[in-house]
Amino acid sequence: AQSVTQLDSHVSVSEGTPVLLRCNYSSSYSPSLFWYVQHPNKGLQLLLKYTSAATLVKGINGFEAEFKKSETSFHLTKPSAHMSDAAEYFCVVNGGSNYKLTFGKGTLLTVNP
Amino acid sequence: EAQVTQNPRYLITVTGKKLTVTCSQNMNHEYMSWYRQDPGLGLRQIYYSMNVEVTDKGDVPEGYKVSRKEKRNFPLILESPSPNQTSLYFCASSLVVDHSYEQYFGPGTRLTVT
Repeated sequence: AQSVTQLDSHVSVSEGTPVLLRCNYSSSYSPSLFWYVQHPNKGLQLLLKYTSAATLVKGINGFEAEFKKSETSFHLTKPSAHMSDAAEYFCVVNGGSNYKLTFGKGTLLTVNP
Repeated sequence: EAQVTQNPRYLITVTGKKLTVTCSQNMNHEYMSWYRQDPGLGLRQIYYSMNVEVTDKGDVPEGYKVSRKEKRNFPLILESPSPNQTSLYFCASSLVVDHSYEQYFGPGTRLTVT
């Protein structure tokens, strides 16, 4: 069995300040983990993925995430928020042999000027 | 251009009238999947397919059918739609390499069942 919990449904930051979006997972197997972004009225785009290589993963647009097995976490960070980062972000886990994907419920990021 | 296409993009229908939402990808991906997105619930997987003639249930398969007769196509069938199937639907595809794969999403189909 596998599950994903995004700890905040809504995060609000000021432009130029750091972003932290939190994700915890559970999995019976060594997981693959992903972060996707969805801008308003758009489809989903992959930000970054962890697949048992380096635990610190760099993605597009300055985002990165760190896989911490001991904490079962995969938090998404960015040093300095930009207005264009305002979107909904989804953490996704694939932790089994059947390629089933489980999405978190999403975190809405608001960036204030 | 590598892409996943869905048709129609918008559909309003009535309860009980069978409908099909098509999904096609041009990247020769083995894996295809359907999701529904509802406010506050994120994306939930309906069905997925590992390859031609290989499909399996996701988290919310009730009321839906799929088929995978060709590698590029993965239609979603609602035999008797009900209002609780009103949602935003996404199709996605990916390669499959050691559980490590990036999903490419279609633009979405907004379905309203009255």
